[in-house]
Amino acid sequence: EVQLVESGGGLVQPGGSLRLSCAASGFTFSSYSMNWVRQAPGKGLEWVSYISSSSSTIYYADSVKGRFTISRDNAKNSLYLQMNSLRDEDTAVYYCARDGVVGATSHFDYWGQGTLVTVSS
Amino acid sequence: QSVLTQPPSASGTPGQRVTISCSGSSSNIGSNTVNWYQQLPGTAPKLLIYSNNQRPSGVPDRFSGSKSGTSASLAISGLQSEDEADYYCAAWDDSLNGHWVFGGGTKLTVL
Repeated sequence: EVQLVESGGGLVQPGGSLRLSCAASGFTFSSYSMNWVRQAPGKGLEWVSYISSSSSTIYYADSVKGRFTISRDNAKNSLYLQMNSLRDEDTAVYYCARDGVVGATSHFDYWGQGTLVTVSS
Repeated sequence: QSVLTQPPSASGTPGQRVTISCSGSSSNIGSNTVNWYQQLPGTAPKLLIYSNNQRPSGVPDRFSGSKSGTSASLAISGLQSEDEADYYCAAWDDSLNGHWVFGGGTKLTVL
């Protein structure tokens, strides 16, 4: 059974840093690209970042570029999101999501339960 | 303001058929496939439709998707109370080095 379990969320002051983790199990983690998607309280979904299976390709949303860094450790079956210079508007539940590829198309086929990040003074 | 446009709300009675639209542009829906996600209250999103019209294993055939040009639609037939949820469309956008874009979400109420 595919499982994605996020951790590392919490309360942080504006300008502070936080590192999120996502522990993967039930599939060959090193074969899949991964994503971070966030959802502000009462709002819709916003894609944050993508990393390919070998870490060779990385993308970021403009809203986090230069502040957030996605990474992974295939030996530990883990995905990370280093968040620096946090702003109030980064307050959200952060989900890790597996990138399921079918032919030339992809989608987020499995999601974790999410971890809440609150940026507030 | 979301890149993909969805109606904020939709509703129907049990047994009815409802559709939810998703409008985009040539850089996203116009050139890439559309995925749909269902988010039940208080839970993580779940993949509902991928590649415009494909259902993952376990998703009832009451759910169907379609795409035409720069728009897509999700149809739910035989509406059930457990379908009450938020629905999001998503597509890859080829502009600005590439990124995923979502619709703002549609809250479906079963009356």
